[in-house]
Amino acid sequence: GENVEQHPSTLSVQEGDSAVIKCTYSDSASNYFPWYKQELGKRPQLIIDIRSNVGEKKDQRIAVTLNKTAKHFSLHITETQPEDSAVYFCAASPGGSYIPTFGRGTSLIVHP
Amino acid sequence: DAMVIQNPRYQVTQFGKPVTLSCSQTLNHNVMYWYQQKSSQAPKLLFHYYDKDFNNEADTPDNFQSRRPNTSFCFLDIRSPGLGDAAMYLCATSRTPGQEAFFGQGTRLTVV
Repeated sequence: GENVEQHPSTLSVQEGDSAVIKCTYSDSASNYFPWYKQELGKRPQLIIDIRSNVGEKKDQRIAVTLNKTAKHFSLHITETQPEDSAVYFCAASPGGSYIPTFGRGTSLIVHP
Repeated sequence: DAMVIQNPRYQVTQFGKPVTLSCSQTLNHNVMYWYQQKSSQAPKLLFHYYDKDFNNEADTPDNFQSRRPNTSFCFLDIRSPGLGDAAMYLCATSRTPGQEAFFGQGTRLTVV
């Protein structure tokens, strides 16, 4: 089955800095890569996703890049704000089942 | 408005006493998932339904069962909870596999 590794487990930045979270996956047939944000006590919510036919996608301060050859994808948050503080999960959906397998999460802390 | 609703939010059960967690959705999505999430770990897929088609993960213990009586509802039954089953249980839905998953708030299960 698919295996998703996510790093770092904790990321602490100053407000205004950029944050980068990286994930690798094992199944070369995976074709859908969502990122979820989970604030304390709340449900995970999709913030951005990318499909395997695209190398990069941006949505305001958030961007995701995908390197299919290396089987890794990354989340980039620019101009971080305290409200960006949360746990971020990456996921990969393997071809066939398309059921997402999650990484273990990154706790992002943005200091004012 | 909540689109995926889990009840209860918190559940305390005795060791070995059967417990049922419920999930309902107003999205009319075809797929419903149950994930187990332990502290500082990735959500782990237990099983999912694609319409009435039940799909069990290979490593999901037999102690865990699920029912989906109709499109809107899905239940997680734990026949004999052990201390190791204490976790957050997340229900999610998607229109089809490989599309955005919408999560419920989760049920935090405590086993005493």
